[in-house]
Amino acid sequence: EVQLVESGGGLVQPGGSLRLSCAASGFTFRTFWMSWLRQAPGKGLEWVANIKEDGSEQYYVDSVKGRFTISRDNAKNSLYLQMNSLRAADTAVYYCARDRWTDYWGQGTLVTVSS
Amino acid sequence: DIQLTQSPSFLSASVGDRVTITCRASQGVSSYLAWYQQKPGKAPKLLIYAASTLQSGVPSRFSGSGSGTEFTLTISSLQPEDFATYYCQQLNTYPRTFGQGTKVEIK
Repeated sequence: EVQLVESGGGLVQPGGSLRLSCAASGFTFRTFWMSWLRQAPGKGLEWVANIKEDGSEQYYVDSVKGRFTISRDNAKNSLYLQMNSLRAADTAVYYCARDRWTDYWGQGTLVTVSS
Repeated sequence: DIQLTQSPSFLSASVGDRVTITCRASQGVSSYLAWYQQKPGKAPKLLIYAASTLQSGVPSRFSGSGSGTEFTLTISSLQPEDFATYYCQQLNTYPRTFGQGTKVEIK
């Protein structure tokens, strides 16, 4: 059974940093692209970033370029999102997902950016 | 960026109704379009990918069609568990974008 479990969310002040993690199991992690997506409270879905199987390519939505970094550790079956210079507009539930048509999603972790 | 516009944004329907949701893209996305269902407090669930392929385990009352710039999601006979919000997403071009969502509520 495919499982994706996010962690690392919480309350952070504007300008602060946070690192999200996603633990994957139930599939051969190193053979799939992986994604982060988010959903602001009461709003729609937004794709944030994705990363190739070996980590050699990453793509980002413009609003996070230069502030967020997606990475992975295939030995640990783990996906990460380093978030710097956080803004109130980054407040959202963050989901990790398997990137094959975004076919499996984690349960999400809430990030709140507020003073 | 490619804009996806769903219509309607809100739909009130009864159990047993046939429901159709449309997703229009601002430029062609070939067949790189997916549909998701999301219930309150839960992660989205993939229903349809490649515009018309039913994801494993999804009931056959769900179907998708279209290519290029116009796509539809059809529920042939609405069931109580289908009341949710539905999103389309294009995966043809970065950044990947979603429609604004269609909330299906009980009439």
